[in-house]
Amino acid sequence: QKEVEQDPGPLSVPEGAIVSLNCTYSNSAFQYFMWYRQYSRKGPELLMYTYSSGNKEDGRFTAQVDKSSKYISLFIRDSQPSDSATYLCAMSLYNQGGKLIFGQGTELSVKP
Amino acid sequence: GAVVSQHPSRVICKSGTSVKIECRSLDFQATTMFWYRQFPKQSLMLMATSNEGSKATYEQGVEKDKFLINHASLTLSTLTVTSAHPEDSSFYICSARGGRDLVREQYFGPGTRLTVT
Repeated sequence: QKEVEQDPGPLSVPEGAIVSLNCTYSNSAFQYFMWYRQYSRKGPELLMYTYSSGNKEDGRFTAQVDKSSKYISLFIRDSQPSDSATYLCAMSLYNQGGKLIFGQGTELSVKP
Repeated sequence: GAVVSQHPSRVICKSGTSVKIECRSLDFQATTMFWYRQFPKQSLMLMATSNEGSKATYEQGVEKDKFLINHASLTLSTLTVTSAHPEDSSFYICSARGGRDLVREQYFGPGTRLTVT
């Protein structure tokens, strides 16, 4: 079983839709939960960062962490064609010096 | 903002040859750099962690004699793929950690596409 599971998609939505992306994980010791956006043939860029359980909102993006269910989500409101990219969830332990464990990534396409 | 560059962005080499990939932090000093490998439509898999001035720490299953990592300065780390084979063809991405926040101050390079023929 992979430590972090993410549906690879692809996911196609119309412009303006609400997008829901999810990851599950097996290691209950993870404390840091991140979402990265990766455009084709580029490196990932950090979108959202959450420590422990709860919600965090930044503009059109909302990240949720449910540690009891080992489940994290990223919601994108009013999706735009420019949001088309691969979204990777990533997790980290406190004492591992920044080592990140990534999910497989979900490929999102927002159609005009 | 913090910028990490990689060179080359794309390289094609023949089987059996070696290729070196550079990772540079352009506007900050990186005490730690990470090297990842990403196969098509798959996740980033951590290969090794390098700290300036010390030997790299490799993840389980990664051959340290095949993937040589040198972190000679606070702004440069190199990954050398020795005796490359077609199965080494992949997207190699580095990240550099610039501050005390282990995650939020970790910045990724744009990646290097390696094709071994």
